[in-house]
Amino acid sequence: QKEVEQNSGPLSVPEGAIASLNCTYSDRGSQSFFWYRQYSGKSPELIMFIYSNGDKEDGRFTAQLNKASQYVSLLIRDSQPSDSATYLCAVTEGGAQKLVFGQGTRLTINP
Amino acid sequence: DVKVTQSSRYLVKRTGEKVFLECVQDMDHENMFWYRQDPGLGLRLIYFSYDVKMKEKGDIPEGYSVSREKKERFSLILESASTNQTSMYLCASRPGGYGYTFGSGTRLTVV
Repeated sequence: QKEVEQNSGPLSVPEGAIASLNCTYSDRGSQSFFWYRQYSGKSPELIMFIYSNGDKEDGRFTAQLNKASQYVSLLIRDSQPSDSATYLCAVTEGGAQKLVFGQGTRLTINP
Repeated sequence: DVKVTQSSRYLVKRTGEKVFLECVQDMDHENMFWYRQDPGLGLRLIYFSYDVKMKEKGDIPEGYSVSREKKERFSLILESASTNQTSMYLCASRPGGYGYTFGSGTRLTVV
């Protein structure tokens, strides 16, 4: 069984600070990596994807991938209360189309 | 934007009923998926399909079946609903190489 591990939190960060979310995965064949945001009672929403080692930036969000360490992270700069949500890490299972999800990290941004 | 539509947001069904959950996507994606999400257990894959008439079991297929007669529609069937199938059900579609787009979810309660 392929595994994706996340710290379940809750992670509490003051407004304006950097929130750092981490994820490790077990399948060395995984090729694509995704971060989803899920507000309470809502469905997950894709916010970032990364395929290559290194950093990928999109606005206040930066995804980081290190395939050698089987590690992917999400940084949220200038955190806002609206960023309070559960963040799900997902990776492809080998070369397949299906995704394996972590259990999610609950993030709270304190005003 | 891709739209994935699940027919019901909330459903209440009786034990033993046959339940149909419908999902329709509007972007001609080959890949469609059904997950259930439960507190503490995360997202678990029930069934998926890579093409019309094609279906594959996910991690927890017991008690469920699926139908994909047309490319845009992927239905999840609970053959005889039980209380342990009370959950949030999420449908997703995925074009090759990109992340899932989720529907808004169906919160099913079996009484």
